[in-house]
Amino acid sequence: GDSVTQKEGLVTLTEGLPVMLNCTYQTIYSNAFLFWYVHYLNESPRLLLKSSTDNKRTEHQGFHATLHKSSSSFHLQKSSAQLSDSALYYCALRDMDSNYQLIWGSGTKLIIKP
Amino acid sequence: DPKIIQKPKYLVAVTGSEKILICEQYLGHNAMYWYRQSAKKPLEFMFSYSYQKLMDNQTASSRFQPQSSKKNHLDLQITALKPDDSATYFCASSQDNSGNTLYFGEGSRLIVV
Repeated sequence: GDSVTQKEGLVTLTEGLPVMLNCTYQTIYSNAFLFWYVHYLNESPRLLLKSSTDNKRTEHQGFHATLHKSSSSFHLQKSSAQLSDSALYYCALRDMDSNYQLIWGSGTKLIIKP
Repeated sequence: DPKIIQKPKYLVAVTGSEKILICEQYLGHNAMYWYRQSAKKPLEFMFSYSYQKLMDNQTASSRFQPQSSKKNHLDLQITALKPDDSATYFCASSQDNSGNTLYFGEGSRLIVV
């Protein structure tokens, strides 16, 4: 079945350094729809980015990601980390198999230190 | 104003008891979901409903029963509570069940003692 892999469970960075959170996926369908959700402490998870267009960069709130179908990846990046970026980040795949449900990665906890 | 209302925000329950978590959404969405986040674990999908019908159930235990009395309501009844059920339960909704953007409520934090 479809799956999403976020290899890093925890990423700790110093403020100002670039951020890259990895997300790879597996699906038999060619029209994958990928999402990044962010979950700040004591808040609700919310959508950060989404894309279904191959090789097109999508940006929001300083973060960007490019869906690469050739490598089945949708890595989340930011040029310069801020303390306020500390949160849990989930990558998700729209599953064309089971009622179009989202398949979630295990999440990456990002901690930004001064 | 929050568009997805979850009640209660915090709840302490005794092992073996039964509780109901309430969720109402005012976004006009047709699909609703329950997710759970236990301590130090990632978000875990539980149920999805579309037009008040169960679409997907990833929860093994029958102790968890969603209840939809109206299109914009999806409550979660939990029976025979166990300490392992302690978690924050998030309700979410989307326009339909075709995987569009999910909007989450603020969560109900349940502690079972």
